[in-house]
Amino acid sequence: AQTVTQSQPEMSVQEAETVTLSCTYDTSENNYYLFWYKQPPSRQMILVIRQEAYKQQNATENRFSVNFQKAAKSFSLKISDSQLGDTAMYFCAFMKYNNNDMRFGAGTRLTVKP
Amino acid sequence: GAVVSQHPSRVICKSGTSVKIECRSLDFQATTMFWYRQFPKQSLMLMATSNEGSKATYEQGVEKDKFLINHASLTLSTLTVTSAHPEDSSFYICSAGEQGGWEQYFGPGTRLTVT
Repeated sequence: AQTVTQSQPEMSVQEAETVTLSCTYDTSENNYYLFWYKQPPSRQMILVIRQEAYKQQNATENRFSVNFQKAAKSFSLKISDSQLGDTAMYFCAFMKYNNNDMRFGAGTRLTVKP
Repeated sequence: GAVVSQHPSRVICKSGTSVKIECRSLDFQATTMFWYRQFPKQSLMLMATSNEGSKATYEQGVEKDKFLINHASLTLSTLTVTSAHPEDSSFYICSAGEQGGWEQYFGPGTRLTVT
């Protein structure tokens, strides 16, 4: 079974600063996807970024980037130039390739302070 | 992008009654739909996976007779909580995926309160 661990229940960052959220996972699979989702107070799940395990290059989406370390089974999210609207719960998630069964970590509550 | 709706967004029911939650894919055909439960300040826990036209696959510990899932069409899945109890109060989220696709599109969730 796949497990996803987020060891930071809460984090805070000053507006315009950079913050990194940690995620580790455990799997015996070689092909899989990793995701970061944002859940704002509205509770709507929003996809932030996706990484395919076979790709060595780290994914980036504007201010969001990941540090994917496959051997270490680590998948951290870096948010640059933090904005007040980034305040939300962030969930790391794992999905096997060709199987849409998604497993989530416990989440990290991020607060961006003005 | 693809849109998934849920209805109702909030529901309050009395203990012992049943309540149905609908999940619809509005602009695509969802061959697979997923139902999650999220307790306050906790993560999403997968309850079951349903494929159109076949029986749902339930996660360990989820009572299939209590949480009835029907995926009768490519755009609609329903979750019926039967004989609801206060401990069933939670936030229920569905997601949908297209055949051959990797992405899951999430609905906005349904807050169920059982009194």
